[in-house]
Amino acid sequence: DTAVSQTPKYLVTQMGNDKSIKCEQNLGHDTMYWYKQDSKKFLKIMFSYNNKELIINETVPNRFSPKSPDKAHLNLHINSLELGDSAVYFCASSQTRTGLDEQFFGPGTRLTVL
Amino acid sequence: EDQVTQSPEALRLQEGESSSLNCSYTVSGLRGLFWYRQDPGKGPEFLFTLYSAGEEKEKERLKATLTKKESFLHITAPKPEDSATYLCAVRGILTGGGNKLTFGTGTQLKVEL
Repeated sequence: DTAVSQTPKYLVTQMGNDKSIKCEQNLGHDTMYWYKQDSKKFLKIMFSYNNKELIINETVPNRFSPKSPDKAHLNLHINSLELGDSAVYFCASSQTRTGLDEQFFGPGTRLTVL
Repeated sequence: EDQVTQSPEALRLQEGESSSLNCSYTVSGLRGLFWYRQDPGKGPEFLFTLYSAGEEKEKERLKATLTKKESFLHITAPKPEDSATYLCAVRGILTGGGNKLTFGTGTQLKVEL
C-alpha cells in the first residue's frame, strides 16, 4: 500500500564515504523529486525528474547525483560525504510536472555524517 | 527569488482554543500556494492548494485563506491530534522549466489537553 517508499530510513556514515538512497513510487506518477530538510525544518528542492528526464537541478554540489532508471524510481547517490550533508532527505512524486498538483512524500532518510 | 515566511515559529494552544497561522510570501506571480502538514519523523502530507486571492478551502477543523501577500491557516477548536508542523509553499511563474516549490520553515503547533 505504500505510495512513496525510501530506503534506508536511517544512514550513519563517516566523512568521505559514498552512499546511496533509493526511492520508489507506486502511484503511476510521472514526476519525482528529491528534497533536503535541514535541522531547522527548511525543506529545499534538490532535483526533479519527469519521465526519467531531469527538469530541476538546483544549486547542489556535484557530489550529489540523481539517477532515474524508470519513472517509478529515483535514486540519489552522494560521493565524498561531508558533515554538512547531514539532514533528512525526502523523495516525493506528483502526477504532473506543473508543480500545481499534490506532491506525495516518502517517509524520509535521516543521514548522519560523522 | 520566491520567498516564504511563516509565523509564529511555534504555537502552543489549549484544546478548543482557536487560532491562526500566517504565511507571508513574495513571488514572481503566484501560480499556487500550498499547505502541508508534517508529523515528527514523517514526510509532509498535503492539505490544500489555493490559486487566487480571495479563495478559501476547508477540511475538518482547518480553513485556509489567501490574499495577495499572505495566507492564513485557521484552526478552529483544535484537538491534540492536530499537533504537527504546518508548512506553507508557493509556486511562482518564474521557476524555469521545472515546477519548483519554495517552502517556508513551518509553524510547529502543539495542542494540549
